[in-house]
Amino acid sequence: GAVVSQHPSWVICKSGTSVKIECRSLDFQATTMFWYRQFPKQSLMLMATSNEGSKATYEQGVEKDKFLINHASLTLSTLTVTSAHPEDSSFYICSARRTGGLPGANVLTFGAGSRLTVL
Amino acid sequence: GENVEQHPSTLSVQEGDSAVIKCTYSDSASNYFPWYKQELGKGPQLIIDIRSNVGEKKDQRIAVTLNKTAKHFSLHITETQPEDSAVYFCAANDFGNEKLTFGTGTRLTIIP
Repeated sequence: GAVVSQHPSWVICKSGTSVKIECRSLDFQATTMFWYRQFPKQSLMLMATSNEGSKATYEQGVEKDKFLINHASLTLSTLTVTSAHPEDSSFYICSARRTGGLPGANVLTFGAGSRLTVL
Repeated sequence: GENVEQHPSTLSVQEGDSAVIKCTYSDSASNYFPWYKQELGKGPQLIIDIRSNVGEKKDQRIAVTLNKTAKHFSLHITETQPEDSAVYFCAANDFGNEKLTFGTGTRLTIIP
C-alpha cells in the first residue's frame, strides 16, 4: 500500500532557528503533497499545497516566507519553519496524493506527523 | 469554500455497542468523503471513504452512509472494541480543487 514517511517525528529547537521537516512518498510518486498543522485537540488545518516543480499554493493567512515549501522531486516535499518562535509549536502533518487512473487514485495518504516544540 | 461540521465532539460507548458519528458539508460540488482515524501522536489513517455516486459502503464493522440531498454523511462502527478508541475525522473533498476540508473531530472512547 501507499506509505508516506515524515521526518523527524519530533524536534525541539531554540527560538530564532529554522527547522526542516521532510515528507517522502516511499512506494509511489506524488505530484501533489499537502501540509497541515494541528493544534492539541483540534482539527487539521491545511497550510499549503505543494506541487512538484512549481511554487506551493498557500492557504489564506499562512505566511509563505515563514513556512517555506520545496517539492523538488516526485517523492519528496520539505517544509522549513524559518525563524521559529514558541507560537509555531505544533503538530505538522503531510499527505501525498497518488496519481494515476487506477481505482483508489486520488486518495490521500498521511504521514505520521512531526511535533515541533520551540523553546 | 467548503465547511464541514462534525458531531458529537466526544462519544463514549460500551464495548460491543455501536457508535455513530455524523457530518454535514456545505459545498454541493463535493463528491468524495473520507473518514480518518487518528491515534494519539500519530497521523490520520484512512478507514473508509465514499464517493457521491454511492449511498452506502461497508467494510466489516465499519460503514459509511451518504445523503447528497441533505448534504450529510455518517460513520457507523458496530461491535465496538477497545482498539476503536481514537479521534475520528470526517472530510469532504471536491475533486476539482483537490483540497480536503476536515471536520472538527470526534473523540471516541470504548468502555470495556
